[in-house]
Amino acid sequence: GAVVSQHPSRVICKSGTSVKIECRSLDFQATTMFWYRQFPKQSLMLMATSNEGSKATYEQGVEKDKFLINHASLTLSTLTVTSAHPEDSSFYICSARVPDEQYFGPGTRLTVT
Amino acid sequence: QKEVEQNSGPLSVPEGAIASLNCTYSDRGSQSFFWYRQYSGKSPELIMSIYSNGDKEDGRFTAQLNKASQYVSLLIRDSQPSDSATYLCAPAAYSGAGSYQLTFGKGTKLSVIP
Repeated sequence: GAVVSQHPSRVICKSGTSVKIECRSLDFQATTMFWYRQFPKQSLMLMATSNEGSKATYEQGVEKDKFLINHASLTLSTLTVTSAHPEDSSFYICSARVPDEQYFGPGTRLTVT
Repeated sequence: QKEVEQNSGPLSVPEGAIASLNCTYSDRGSQSFFWYRQYSGKSPELIMSIYSNGDKEDGRFTAQLNKASQYVSLLIRDSQPSDSATYLCAPAAYSGAGSYQLTFGKGTKLSVIP
């Protein structure tokens, strides 16, 4: 299957600071990447769809000014959590699609203190 | 609203037995169906995809699809303790732009007892 990497795998930050998470497709080009969030014991929740060279499409209820997504190249998408608060603590996972199948990165566990 | 229903479990089976995981979905426009395995604290891993009615086998895994009943299942033969994980069902519905979006169920937690 296709390989998607994410960095960092784990980050702890103070309330009010910003955190950037990188998602890379390692062996293929991804025109579309997806960002999900998962709280403990809950299902994956799609936050936004990231399209190379254009603005991301955010799901209802997701603040686009708080969760900044940039997809500047065919192999890299970034998610920046701005002015993070403890309620933003979660498991953030990116995903990329190879024509008919979707593969996930290893995830980034964010803890905001 | 698109819904995907899975029994949350936990489903406990003895080692070597067959584990049967079920999923129903509400969106009749769903055309592709995926099963992901998610270990605790890890991200989902794609294990099976099925696109047409019937059975699809891959090693110890068999996916079954019945679009008329809006039902998809995953059978795991000769279950191993390493199969203990949460299994996510994810139908995909295609948009007019040629892309599709997955809708995830909450997952069934499987526990294989040695």
